[in-house]
Amino acid sequence: DAKTTQPTSMDCAEGRAANLPCNHSTISGNEYVYWYRQIHSQGPQYIIHGLKNNETNEMASLIITEDRKSSTLILPHATLRDTAVYYCIVRVPYTGGGNKLTFGTGTQLKVEL
Amino acid sequence: DVKVTQSSRYLVKRTGEKVFLECVQDMDHENMFWYRQDPGLGLRLIYFSYDVKMKEKGDIPEGYSVSREKKERFSLILESASTNQTSMYLCASIGTGKYQPQHFGDGTRLSIL
Repeated sequence: DAKTTQPTSMDCAEGRAANLPCNHSTISGNEYVYWYRQIHSQGPQYIIHGLKNNETNEMASLIITEDRKSSTLILPHATLRDTAVYYCIVRVPYTGGGNKLTFGTGTQLKVEL
Repeated sequence: DVKVTQSSRYLVKRTGEKVFLECVQDMDHENMFWYRQDPGLGLRLIYFSYDVKMKEKGDIPEGYSVSREKKERFSLILESASTNQTSMYLCASIGTGKYQPQHFGDGTRLSIL
């Protein structure tokens, strides 16, 4: 799996968009970008994933650059409940049989009034 | 919705005890994982299993073993608990197929005294 680089922490004002960057310059052609978040004292929660096109769901939008070497997770109207650690993971579709899935240290997003 | 259930949210044990952490998923997933999470170190993979009775070592298997007797259940065993195994333990599962994300339990916060 490709290595990712994320800022250690970010702050965002409530109601504003939170833009969380991720660099994955060694991504290969068949690797997807996944985003998870972990709210304090809970397990990680899946948010969104994409291959090369921008994606949007009810939680967030994912913007992947044309060269696929970086991506941005956008929370359009951040709330206090979005305060969490956000993980960017790059990997091939999971086919079992021994592929392990690893997480990095993520970005601590703090949403403030 | 996928449900991954860990048997205990909080657990306190003594040094030298044999400790069992249980995880059950209800989506017939082939693949299950155990991670531990420590401040500043992110999620680290201990063991994973891609089928009943199959297991693979992750990045930090020392001091742990696992059991997968039934597809829905994956147990993590601390053979002789030590204080450096005090941590948050997270179980996850994933189906085998293209884009599926991992699904996590809410974790067990284990303290070894």
